[in-house]
Amino acid sequence: QGQLQESGPGLVKPSETLSLTCTVSGDSVTSGTYYWTWIRQAPGKGLEWIGYIYHIGSTNYNPSLKSRVTISSDTSRNQFSLNLTSVTAADTAIYYCARIVVVDEGVPGDTYYYFGMDVWGQGTTVIVSS
Amino acid sequence: DIQMTQSPSSLSASVGDRVTITCRASQSISSYLNWYQQKPGKAPKYLIYAATSLRSGVPSRFSGRGSGTEFTLTISSLQPEDFATYYCQQSYRTPYTFGQGTKLDIK
Repeated sequence: QGQLQESGPGLVKPSETLSLTCTVSGDSVTSGTYYWTWIRQAPGKGLEWIGYIYHIGSTNYNPSLKSRVTISSDTSRNQFSLNLTSVTAADTAIYYCARIVVVDEGVPGDTYYYFGMDVWGQGTTVIVSS
Repeated sequence: DIQMTQSPSSLSASVGDRVTITCRASQSISSYLNWYQQKPGKAPKYLIYAATSLRSGVPSRFSGRGSGTEFTLTISSLQPEDFATYYCQQSYRTPYTFGQGTKLDIK
């Protein structure tokens, strides 16, 4: 069972770039088995999907953040990272990294693929403030 | 984006009660629906995928139903450890979206 651990600054100034890293143990970020994703949760609010990276570098971002987000991976360190530019107070949140597992069900030719976040980091709080 | 709406937003119940939480999608998502449980200060825990399938290790008192736009999560007999916030999430299409959450607390 893999484990994930977020790291990065807990305080970022407005207009600067938020940078977080997720260290993966027990799995490989280059594995084609899983997707690697970031989710955030503003104080007292619900969950917001930020984006994911798959395999060596295929990415998919939430359009609401797409112009400011980059998710990348460092295969030598078995990590993946989140960069969010031009932050404001609205970006204050707990940031989680997670693993997306794909479960396939059905028969050949009629197979369904179900994506879900099965392993999560503990989360890291980022406050945007001057 | 596909909007996910849960009801109720909060629910008070007692140990042993049967509770049901509803999740509605703004368009059909077939069975591409996940449920998560989140306790205070913790990351969410993956409970159910494909609307009805329990993840390994999840107690059988949890069950999911539905397809299309309407889904339910039922806990057949509440245990003390079940008091938490529950989220639905659609995986039909990105951006993945979550319901706003249902907070289940002790009556």
